[in-house]
Amino acid sequence: GENVEQHPSTLSVQEGDSAVIKCTYSDSASNYFPWYKQELGKRPQLIIDIRSNVGEKKDQRIAVTLNKTAKHFSLHITETQPEDSAVYFCAAIYISGTYKYIFGTGTRLKVLA
Amino acid sequence: DGGITQSPKYLFRKEGQNVTLSCEQNLNHDAMYWYRQDPGQGLRLIYYSQIVNDFQKGDIAEGYSVSREKKESFPLTVTSAQKNPTAFYLCASTTLGNSPLHFGNGTRLTVT
Repeated sequence: GENVEQHPSTLSVQEGDSAVIKCTYSDSASNYFPWYKQELGKRPQLIIDIRSNVGEKKDQRIAVTLNKTAKHFSLHITETQPEDSAVYFCAAIYISGTYKYIFGTGTRLKVLA
Repeated sequence: DGGITQSPKYLFRKEGQNVTLSCEQNLNHDAMYWYRQDPGQGLRLIYYSQIVNDFQKGDIAEGYSVSREKKESFPLTVTSAQKNPTAFYLCASTTLGNSPLHFGNGTRLTVT
């Protein structure tokens, strides 16, 4: 069925280190994969997205990689800062006549100063 | 200033009462979505709509109802049949195709 698995559920890193969050999806027809950051009590905000015609996309300290064969995509944050502490969600679109956005269960990232 | 407006921000109801959460967007988006978020959990899809007067059930539609009479509006009713309605509810919208969801600020519903 339609599913997005996300790991790990929590991640603690030292300031300046890198953080990696991984997601897998089940529908090979999915072709759009956004990542969202949610701070406590606030709405999720898009931080980066990738479409299936590319394998990697970078935006300053954030990058996303996509392996369509393995149905994996990952978020990479380099040189982490305390303000990166938040919950991160991956998502995939399932297309079957309609566009159904399914989210992973989230990763709580703590950057330790 | 374009965006998605959810109201109210906080809502308190007694058990057994139906309650309607408002979601309005002025982004001219075709598609609108409702998600439920429980503490420490992800976003679970309740209902979504791609066009006016049509909508689809998501993964946890039981105990909820929606309508899409106007492109700009997608209200969610939490009925008394929803067994555990206390949660944070997020509305989102997007253009059709491979585009990101834009979220409202959410409504925190507490039922006692």
